[in-house]
Amino acid sequence: QVQLQESGPGLVKPSQTLSLTCTVSGGSISSGGYYWSWIRQHPGKGLEWIGYIYYSGSTYYNPSLKSRVTISVDTSKNQFSLKLSSVTAADTAVYYCASWGITGTTGAFDYWGQGTLVTVSS
Amino acid sequence: AIRITQSPSSLSASTGDRVTITCRASQGISSYLAWYQQKPGKAPKLLIYAASTLQSGVPSRFSGSGSGTDFTLTISCLQSEDFATYYCQQYYSYPFTFGPGTKVDIK
Repeated sequence: QVQLQESGPGLVKPSQTLSLTCTVSGGSISSGGYYWSWIRQHPGKGLEWIGYIYYSGSTYYNPSLKSRVTISVDTSKNQFSLKLSSVTAADTAVYYCASWGITGTTGAFDYWGQGTLVTVSS
Repeated sequence: AIRITQSPSSLSASTGDRVTITCRASQGISSYLAWYQQKPGKAPKLLIYAASTLQSGVPSRFSGSGSGTDFTLTISCLQSEDFATYYCQQYYSYPFTFGPGTKVDIK
């Protein structure tokens, strides 16, 4: 059973870079069995997919955020990370890490972290 | 990006009711559609994928149908633990997109 846990600052100043890490347990990122994603949810709103990374380092970013997003992976720590640059108040949201399997659900997110609220404010 | 709409945006129902939620994609997505349940303060939970395949451990009162552009989630006999917000998501093409959600609350 894969488990995901987000970590990182809960408060980020405008124009700075938001940085979050997702630690994976119960499975190895290096196994190649999953795609690893970030999803965010603005307060009281719907869900927005930010992008994914595969263990090989291949990525896809949502065009709506592509110019500001970097997702990276550290297989030695079994972690993947999100960086979002030049943040504004509009980036205040709960950020989730999530995954989908290369077989079975293939694109539907079957594992989720608990989510972490990031507030952008000075 | 493929746009996803859901209807209704909210509904009130009673325990034991049959509830149907509709999801519509702006273009055909075959059966690449998932349904999630989200309770306040919690992460979404996958209920159904491939439009109609029940995720392991999800009660059989949940069912999904549809293909192409129109999909439905049905809860056959609403239980108290089913009061939540439900989202659909397409994974036919990048970027994956979600519907705006349907909140199911107590009548």
